Amino acid sequence: SYELTQPPSVSVSPGQTASITCSGDNLGNRFASWYRQKPGQSPVLVIYHDTRRPSGIPERFSGSNSGNAATLTISGTQAMDEADYYCQAWDSSTVVFGGGTKLTVL
Amino acid sequence: QVQLQESGPGLVKPSETLSLTCVVSGYSITSGYYWGWIRQPPGKGLECIGSIYHSGGTSYNPSLKSRVTIFVDTSKNQFSLKLSSVTAADTAVYYCARLAVTTSYYFDSWGHGALVTVSS
Repeated sequence: SYELTQPPSVSVSPGQTASITCSGDNLGNRFASWYRQKPGQSPVLVIYHDTRRPSGIPERFSGSNSGNAATLTISGTQAMDEADYYCQAWDSSTVVFGGGTKLTVL
Repeated sequence: QVQLQESGPGLVKPSETLSLTCVVSGYSITSGYYWGWIRQPPGKGLECIGSIYHSGGTSYNPSLKSRVTIFVDTSKNQFSLKLSSVTAADTAVYYCARLAVTTSYYFDSWGHGALVTVSS
C-alpha cells in the first residue's frame, strides 16, 4: 500500500517561514493536498492540486510537489497557524493521508 | 454552502456493528462529487475509510474493506457507514466529508465529527 511520511513536528518563530514536507514514492506524479486541523476541530483544506488555495485560505499558504516530496510552505507564520497539518494523495482508488505534523509557533 | 452532519450511537459494544449517517444540506448529493468517511483515533492521525458516488459506486480502504459498507440514500440526501465486528481499535472520531474527484482528489468540506467509543 502507498505511504506518505511527514515529520512529527516542526517549529517556527512568528513571522518566519515554515516548511512541512510529505514524502512518498514518486509523489510528484500524483496530486497532493494539505489540511490544517486545530485541537477539537475538523480538518480544513488549505492546499489542493499541489498548489491551489481554496477560497478563504490566506496567500501565505503555498504548496509544491516534485520528485518524491510535496511541501507546504507558510510564509510570515502567525500564532493562529499553530496546528496539525496532514498531507493527502490518491492511490489505487483510495485516499491516503500522511501521519501528520504538529506545527509549533514559538 | 454545503454542510455535513454525522449522527449515530456514541457507544458500541465489541463485536457489534457501528452505524453512522451523514446528512448533507445546502447541496444535492446527486449533483456530483463523491462522499466519504474518515476516522481519527484519539491522539492519532486521519484514516480514510472509503467513499461513495451517488450512483452507488464505492471505494474502500483495503485494510477495512472486509468490514465496511457505505451506502447512499438520495431521497434523504444522506449517506451512511456500517463497520462490523468492531473492537476497541475502532474507537475514533468519525468524520463525513465531500470528496472532489477531478484530476486530483481532495476533501473540501467536512462534518464536525462524531466520537464513537467501542466498549462493553
